[in-house]
Amino acid sequence: EDKVVQSPLSLVVHEGDTVTLNCSYEVTNFRSLLWYKQEKKAPTFLFMLTSSGIEKKSGRLSSILDKKELFSILNITATQTGDSAIYLCAGESGYALNFGKGTSLLVTP
Amino acid sequence: SQTIHQWPATLVQPVGSPLSLECTVEGTSNPNLYWYRQAAGRGLQLLFYSVGIGQISSEVPQNLSASRPQDRQFILSSKKLLLSDSGFYLCAWSITGTGLAFFGQGTRLTVV
Repeated sequence: EDKVVQSPLSLVVHEGDTVTLNCSYEVTNFRSLLWYKQEKKAPTFLFMLTSSGIEKKSGRLSSILDKKELFSILNITATQTGDSAIYLCAGESGYALNFGKGTSLLVTP
Repeated sequence: SQTIHQWPATLVQPVGSPLSLECTVEGTSNPNLYWYRQAAGRGLQLLFYSVGIGQISSEVPQNLSASRPQDRQFILSSKKLLLSDSGFYLCAWSITGTGLAFFGQGTRLTVV
């Protein structure tokens, strides 16, 4: 059975801190690993990772995939209150996405 | 550009009543379409996906059904709602052959 596990499940940090969110996966016919940010309603796309060891970066966010160890991390540097959200990780199996439970991040002023 | 519309945004329904949630996509043709459910404190659970008109695959046997009467329209239905059907329902689409999914704004369903 496909499995995506995220850790921690929740996290509270102060503005300016750096956070690392973890995602491990066991997905049949794995094709890619995706990260989404969910604030109130629709998850919005952050990154799609297909190759091991290549960091993807967008502003203060970055992510990397390790296909040998079957995990990915999402880093957020210099956190801001606007980063407060649920961060979802998903493994693509070829026809759909298998999601983890998400990490709930709260950034306090 | 592509957009996805999902309605209604919130819904309160009594147990035993029927359900119909609709989702439409604009700006693309022959998308893959999905219905996910997100229960409180849990991740997104795939309910149904469709790769074409009339083609529906169910991931989890349950009280719900899905239909795709047109290329860019996806409907989630139930004949009789259960309390356990409460949750946040999300419609999504992706380009055929890719896993990158884009989500609608969701429907918060409360069954009372």
